[in-house]
Amino acid sequence: GAGVSQSPSNKVTEKGKDVELRCDPISGHTALYWYRQSLGQGLEFLIYFQGNSAPDKSGLPSDRFSAERTGGSVSTLTIQRTQQEDSAVYLCASSLGWGGNNSPLHFGNGTRLTVT
Amino acid sequence: GNSVTQMEGPVTLSEEAFLTINCTYTATGYPSLFWYVQYPGEGLQLLLKATKADDKGSNKGFEATYRKETTSFHLEKGSVQVSDSAVYFCALYNNAGNMLTFGGGTRLMVKP
Repeated sequence: GAGVSQSPSNKVTEKGKDVELRCDPISGHTALYWYRQSLGQGLEFLIYFQGNSAPDKSGLPSDRFSAERTGGSVSTLTIQRTQQEDSAVYLCASSLGWGGNNSPLHFGNGTRLTVT
Repeated sequence: GNSVTQMEGPVTLSEEAFLTINCTYTATGYPSLFWYVQYPGEGLQLLLKATKADDKGSNKGFEATYRKETTSFHLEKGSVQVSDSAVYFCALYNNAGNMLTFGGGTRLMVKP
């Protein structure tokens, strides 16, 4: 079946521009996560959506970052006024529940963002 | 807070060599522990997991045992193959946060 789909796969943008990254989770998955993978770094948690609950935004690095999830399905991560340090691979994952013991995360292939 | 520490890579081995990738963690309570793998050009996928102390997770010849006394979850494989070349991530989950906390990843390169 279809997995988690992210678009675009690659994005090059100029410093100061805004970007939108899209994630289509697996159908029926209620939980959706955004992570960031910087070169040589681990995965950094950004934000978590679970059903209709308020999202957990505790990982967003600055107020330039925001995300929404419309209709409990597709999610968009927006980065305003991009900076070079925003360059990274942005990964989306979804799971049936809360991503713990019985609901492993299914990851997309990521969007590689390069800010020049 | 939660944290996961992995050995830094890259780890370079010859085919059929024994593999160990160390992972230790800091967490409150009783976390569940996971290994995820990222093959070249692909997304992360769950490799194995263990949900309580002394549990052993296993898959594709890989094993890891949940050691609460040493707060470790080292990944092992008796005989690696070229196709095992990938980046391996150790991770934990507990009720302190609704997300997986990942280690920095370890790149494994297996040469024929």
